[in-house]
Amino acid sequence: EMQLLESGGGLVQPGGSLRLSCAASGFTISNFAMYWVRQAPGKGLEWVSAIIPSGAYTFYADSVKGRFTISRDNSNNILFLQMNSLRAEDTALYYCVKGTSSYYFDYWGQGTLVTVSS
Amino acid sequence: EIVLTQSPATLSLSPGERATLSCRASQSVSSYLAWYQQKPGQTPRLLIYDASNRATGIPARFSGSGSGTDFTLTISSLEPEDFAVYYCHHRSDWPRTFGQGTKVEI
Repeated sequence: EMQLLESGGGLVQPGGSLRLSCAASGFTISNFAMYWVRQAPGKGLEWVSAIIPSGAYTFYADSVKGRFTISRDNSNNILFLQMNSLRAEDTALYYCVKGTSSYYFDYWGQGTLVTVSS
Repeated sequence: EIVLTQSPATLSLSPGERATLSCRASQSVSSYLAWYQQKPGQTPRLLIYDASNRATGIPARFSGSGSGTDFTLTISSLEPEDFAVYYCHHRSDWPRTFGQGTKVEI
């Protein structure tokens, strides 16, 4: 059974940093595109970042470009999101998502909550 | 970036009725569009991919159509479990984007 388990969320002050982790089981993350998608409280879905199977390319939403970095540890099957210079508008539930073979989203973790507030 | 605009924002219907949801792209996404369903407290579920293909396990009452910039998700006869928020999403280019969602309510 495929599972994604996020961790690393919490309360952080504006300008601070957090590193989110997503431990995958039941599949190998390097065989698929992997994503981070966030959802602010009571709001819609926002695509944040992606890493393609080869790991050669990463992509970011304009709202996080230059502040967030996606990466992965293939040996431990873990996806990461390093978030720097956090802002109040980054407050959201962050989902780790597995891509399908055609780059849609099929498996979602339960999310980890990031709150940026002083 | 490609902007996806969904309409209406809210659709008030009764069980058994037909639901028609729209998603319009600011530029062509070919057929690279998906629909997701999200119920309160749950993660999104992939319903339709590549505009018209049902994902595994999705009932036949869900269908998708369209190409280019105009897309439609149709639920032929609403079941009680279909009342939820529906999002469209494209994979045509980077960055990926979602529509703002359509809430289907009773």
